Amino acid sequence: QSALTQPASVSGSPGQSITISCTGTSSDIGNYNLVSWYQQLPGIAPKLMIFEVNKRPSGVSIRFSGSKSGNTASLTISGLQAEDEADYYCCSFAGSSTYVVFGGGTKLTVL
Amino acid sequence: QVQLQESGPGLVKPSETLSLTCTVSGGSINSYYWSWIRQPAGKGLEWIGRIYASGLTNYNPSLKSRVSMSIDASTNQFSLKLTSVTAADTALYYCAREYCSGGRCYFWYFDLWGRGTLVTVSS
Repeated sequence: QSALTQPASVSGSPGQSITISCTGTSSDIGNYNLVSWYQQLPGIAPKLMIFEVNKRPSGVSIRFSGSKSGNTASLTISGLQAEDEADYYCCSFAGSSTYVVFGGGTKLTVL
Repeated sequence: QVQLQESGPGLVKPSETLSLTCTVSGGSINSYYWSWIRQPAGKGLEWIGRIYASGLTNYNPSLKSRVSMSIDASTNQFSLKLTSVTAADTALYYCAREYCSGGRCYFWYFDLWGRGTLVTVSS
């Protein structure tokens, strides 16, 4: 069982916006602004999409945005495109004993 | 362009030691943290641990008693050893680099990954 809780699946139509939630605790998401999101296409290594809750690495589309409230982080994808269909994983720093925890992943289907 | 490549046996017997190496090409292994992350088939990601060029390490507490990492700047490689493996250790093992940009490093984010190497634990 993963430390962070994500919905198993979400779906949306092209052009729509979707949000994926990631729920942790006061020991991880709630205590640190060190949340990241990864996109994993089938058979390919994960790609960093968001870091420090809401920052995008160079080259990542502005359609991807992140936020956090309390113990829950969220990834929003606007203007859905077919190429966004992938698994998405959240990740958080969890202190100097546990270090890094991941969510179980959310499969995004573009209808 | 910096690339990572995992290598090692694809099959390990139960109770034996899993040993993997990650080769960094196209750039220096210095000044970065390097991690190992694994993914069982059809499941999520699990961070195993990380090592800095100086040899400083941090390990996932759930694996700490069985994990060790080392680094060799002369060969631009770092390695993972996981002892006393069981079927639960069967997974795709990735090596990854923590994110640095504009002269600043942002710890605990992984921006460069290898392709992964599948390790199966079976007799």
